[in-house]
Amino acid sequence: AQSVTQPDIHITVSEGASLELRCNYSYGATPYLFWYVQSPGQGLQLLLKYFSGDTLVQGIKGFEAEFKRSQSSFNLRKPSVHWSDAAEYFCAVRPSGGYNKLIFGAGTRLAVHP
Amino acid sequence: DTGVSQDPRHKITKRGQNVTFRCDPISEHNRLYWYRQTLGQGPEFLTYFQNEAQLEKSRLLSDRFSAERPKGSFSTLEIQRTEQGDSAMYLCASSPLSGGTPRETQYFGPGTRLLVL
Repeated sequence: AQSVTQPDIHITVSEGASLELRCNYSYGATPYLFWYVQSPGQGLQLLLKYFSGDTLVQGIKGFEAEFKRSQSSFNLRKPSVHWSDAAEYFCAVRPSGGYNKLIFGAGTRLAVHP
Repeated sequence: DTGVSQDPRHKITKRGQNVTFRCDPISEHNRLYWYRQTLGQGPEFLTYFQNEAQLEKSRLLSDRFSAERPKGSFSTLEIQRTEQGDSAMYLCASSPLSGGTPRETQYFGPGTRLLVL
């Protein structure tokens, strides 16, 4: 069965520091990959997505992610974190075989120290 | 484009009561999804509509749960005889149908937080 693992439950970084959030997926073929962000009491906002082509994708708010097929990973990065980036981040996959549902990881909660 | 809206945003009910949630998708989005998110977890898929047809249901959707999208626009999710384990955030998402392929983006609403006492 398809699954998504986000190994880090909580991460704390200082404002201005770089950030990398890890995501590993389990699926036989290349799925469609997504990163969403959820602020307290809010729904999910799409940061970026990967379908095919260039394995480094750019998203909103200065985020980027790199798809590595050999590692079954899709890690999210940001070179300089802002206090407003504090939120929960979810990696999700959608199998490319025609299914429509998203399968989410458990999320990584990001705290930003001033 | 006002985004996906959900009503109510919060619901507190007693065990055994029935509750109904509403989702209004982005206009002209053919596809509508319901997910459930419990504390400390990512959202889990419940069900999916294309227009008014319910095309997929998760095993999480027990007999006490029913979802409808009668005119292919808004959708309702009803939980009968609520249990404490139903306490969760219920998220709705919608997406346009893009050339028959699942490459579209799902846009999420703010969710309905349910607490069953």
